[in-house]
Amino acid sequence: NAGVTQTPKFRVLKTGQSMTLLCAQDMNHEYMYWYRQDPGMGLRLIHYSVGEGTTAKGEVPDGYNVSRLKKQNFLLGLESAAPSQTSVYFCASSYPRLAGGRTDTQYFGPGTRLTVL
Amino acid sequence: GENVEQHPSTLSVQEGDSAVIKCTYSDSASNYFPWYKQELGKRPQLIIDIRSNVGEKKDQRIAVTLNKTAKHFSLHITETQPEDSAVYFCAVYSLGGKFQFGAGTQVVVTP
Repeated sequence: NAGVTQTPKFRVLKTGQSMTLLCAQDMNHEYMYWYRQDPGMGLRLIHYSVGEGTTAKGEVPDGYNVSRLKKQNFLLGLESAAPSQTSVYFCASSYPRLAGGRTDTQYFGPGTRLTVL
Repeated sequence: GENVEQHPSTLSVQEGDSAVIKCTYSDSASNYFPWYKQELGKRPQLIIDIRSNVGEKKDQRIAVTLNKTAKHFSLHITETQPEDSAVYFCAVYSLGGKFQFGAGTQVVVTP
């Protein structure tokens, strides 16, 4: 199993350009997440999905859109990139366990380093 | 929503000493509390976790304690080694599928 993979690993954009980050997992996980990580601020949730065809906003959703058309893929889109979106983006997935509540371990992808000039 | 505070933000320890990191949270319905270790340029890796029906969990040199009444949990690393140097994050799971992360603790272990 490859686990969680992210494409691309690095990207440089100019202000106003658009791009899509792809996250793929081969563990049949229901839940998928997109985070951004900035120095001194930990991981902040952008959007997440609790199943194919469903998405929800996280802590910092503005300027981003997502889609979960297939269970194994979670796409993060930037329609008009801004310098404030320069960050490292991590995707994660997890499979909820019903026993004791819908919680389980998150598995992270390797990250995408995005720079917006 | 959930609010997670993590302290300290940096921690310097001598090799062989113990390190303790503490996180507090606000949502009493939270029931899963993982800790992640992140080395420079790499992804966060789960090192230990605890669920709300347990007060303490240990795995070799690392342990996590949970006080649900006071809404805080702590990571304990004993006999620290240089390879323990990294950023450590706590996280709290909230109902509906969301994880809230602490801001991280930079741990530096000096030989």
